Amino acid sequence: DIQMTQSPSSLSAFVGDTVTISCRASENINKYLNWYQHKPGKAPKLLIYSTSTLQSGVPSRFSGSGSGTDFTLTIDSLQREDSAVYYCHQSYNIPQSFGQGTKLEI
Amino acid sequence: QVQLVQSGPELKKPGASVTVSCKASGYTFRSYAISWVRQAPGQGLEWMGWISTYRGNTNYAQKFQGRVTMTTDTSTSTAYMELRGLRSDDTAVYYCAREGVGRWFDPWGQGTLVTVSS
Repeated sequence: DIQMTQSPSSLSAFVGDTVTISCRASENINKYLNWYQHKPGKAPKLLIYSTSTLQSGVPSRFSGSGSGTDFTLTIDSLQREDSAVYYCHQSYNIPQSFGQGTKLEI
Repeated sequence: QVQLVQSGPELKKPGASVTVSCKASGYTFRSYAISWVRQAPGQGLEWMGWISTYRGNTNYAQKFQGRVTMTTDTSTSTAYMELRGLRSDDTAVYYCAREGVGRWFDPWGQGTLVTVSS
């Protein structure tokens, strides 16, 4: 099974900052890496799929990069509403798997 | 709009079974697979398995093999997830999600809280 490891597990930042969340896969997942934003009491929301494609309706301050085993989610110009837990997700192989999550506090 | 609406919260005793439904609307149901994901209290997201809405074939995470059954009713555009032999550590919010071309999940259902307690 493919293990996904995110770092950091939590971080604090200020409005207007830029933050980066990393995700490492235990083996090559090509570009089958997706990112979700999860707020308490809500369903997870797809932000980025296939490593770097922004889902429709998602602000352009979110971006993704990487390939193989190392991936990054970057959030520019942080807004207060970006407070959430962020998860990476590999859809390269079954069983699909998620990182453990990164809690972002603004 | 594309939407998945799940059934309401459940309270079950240990050893019981639970069935969660997930009704799709706004798209052609048989064109996209459905995955089920759960989140236990204070934990991350855990993929449980997948069902093809076109053929009905399934693939379950090994952890749930033998305890879970995923089905669909194409006449009502509804997916179902049955989990048997419930234990206290099955207490979680259960989500259904539509799979995109690259197997990403979008959208998700609103989640169903299943509480297992004696």
